[in-house]
Amino acid sequence: AQKITQTQPGMFVQEKEAVTLDCTYDTSDQSYGLFWYKQPSSGEMIFLIYQGSYDEQNATEGRYSLNFQKARKSANLVISASQLGDSAMYFCATVTTGYSTLTFGKGTMLLVSP
Amino acid sequence: GAGVSQTPSNKVTEKGKYVELRCDPISGHTALYWYRQSLGQGPEFLIYFQGTGAADDSGLPNDRFFAVRPEGSVSTLKIQRTERGDSAVYLCASSRQGRGQETQYFGPGTRLLVL
Repeated sequence: AQKITQTQPGMFVQEKEAVTLDCTYDTSDQSYGLFWYKQPSSGEMIFLIYQGSYDEQNATEGRYSLNFQKARKSANLVISASQLGDSAMYFCATVTTGYSTLTFGKGTMLLVSP
Repeated sequence: GAGVSQTPSNKVTEKGKYVELRCDPISGHTALYWYRQSLGQGPEFLIYFQGTGAADDSGLPNDRFFAVRPEGSVSTLKIQRTERGDSAVYLCASSRQGRGQETQYFGPGTRLLVL
């Protein structure tokens, strides 16, 4: 079984600052993927970034980067230069190769202030 | 192209009634997933279709829940004899082939409220 832990129920950051959202995972599988999704108040889950367990480099997508520490089973999301529109729930999720279903954490609410 | 769409966006029903929730995946995506998100929680897997067949329905909570995808595109999640505990947001997602680690793209969800 897989488990995702997001220990920060809420985070506050000022506009233009960087913020790190924590995610740890528990899996005994060697091959797996890690995803981050954003869920604004409208409810839709928006894909942000993906990291494969065998990827040697940390994934980056624009202002989003993933700080992947495999030995610590950690996959933290870093958002640089926060914007007001970044205020939303953020979910970390994992999938194991051979299965196709995502296991999500409980999420972190990010609030960006002017 | 268009993203995943779900209808209705909101559904209010009474305890004991039957409801159907519809999902229209991204065109060409063979894999379709249903998740349920309760208040304050992350989404939880319900069922996964590969084409027309349910490849994994291990997340369905009980036999009141059923889903179909008869032509390999649109899917309908059916809930019989609804209970107040069924109130949640039902999310649908699709992916190109359903292979592990493939990105899933979500629809806006259907908010179900059972009174």
